[in-house]
Amino acid sequence: GNSVTQMEGPVTLSEEAFLTINCTYTATGYPSLFWYVQYPGEGLQLLLKATKADDKGSNKGFEATYRKETTSFHLEKGSVQVSDSAVYFCALSDNTNAGKSTFGDGTTLTVKP
Amino acid sequence: NAGVTQTPKFQVLKTGQSMTLQCAQDMNHEYMSWYRQDPGMGLRLIHYSVGAGITDQGEVPNGYNVSRSTTEDFPLRLLSAAPSQTSVYFCASSKMTGAGANVLTFGAGSRLTVL
Repeated sequence: GNSVTQMEGPVTLSEEAFLTINCTYTATGYPSLFWYVQYPGEGLQLLLKATKADDKGSNKGFEATYRKETTSFHLEKGSVQVSDSAVYFCALSDNTNAGKSTFGDGTTLTVKP
Repeated sequence: NAGVTQTPKFQVLKTGQSMTLQCAQDMNHEYMSWYRQDPGMGLRLIHYSVGAGITDQGEVPNGYNVSRSTTEDFPLRLLSAAPSQTSVYFCASSKMTGAGANVLTFGAGSRLTVL
């Protein structure tokens, strides 16, 4: 079956530090890949996505590249802000499964001023 | 522009009680789903639906029932609540694009405590 593995957290960084959150996946076929973000007390919302190999998703300074050869979709940001403190989820959507999404366990990011 | 609306936001039940978590979306999305979120376990799929009258089980369906009589609504029923069902529940919906890029729109969540 499909699975998503995220780097274990929590992650604590100082403001303006570089962020990487690793994500690898196992899936049949050619899934779409997503990063969702959950701010305290809220539901998840889409941060970025990529639908095919070598696609780069980007939003709000965050980037992730779909690497089929390493089955990875690592999230990066060059300079984090306190407002980026949240839980980040890597997910995949299997094209053969009517939109069912599989999520990683989530990585909690805390950015200190 | 309501999106996905979940009610109630908070609920406390006693073991053995029943209740229904409501979920409604106004985006004409075909696909709707329920997830539970537990510490260190990410989101796990409980049940999902690809259209009115069609439902299917996810990863952790035991103890939960669903129905989909309309496109807009997808209630989740707990028939006899157990402490193991203490969790935060999220409803999510998406358009079915056929291309797999099914971006989920989430509700704000329902925090359930079973004593």
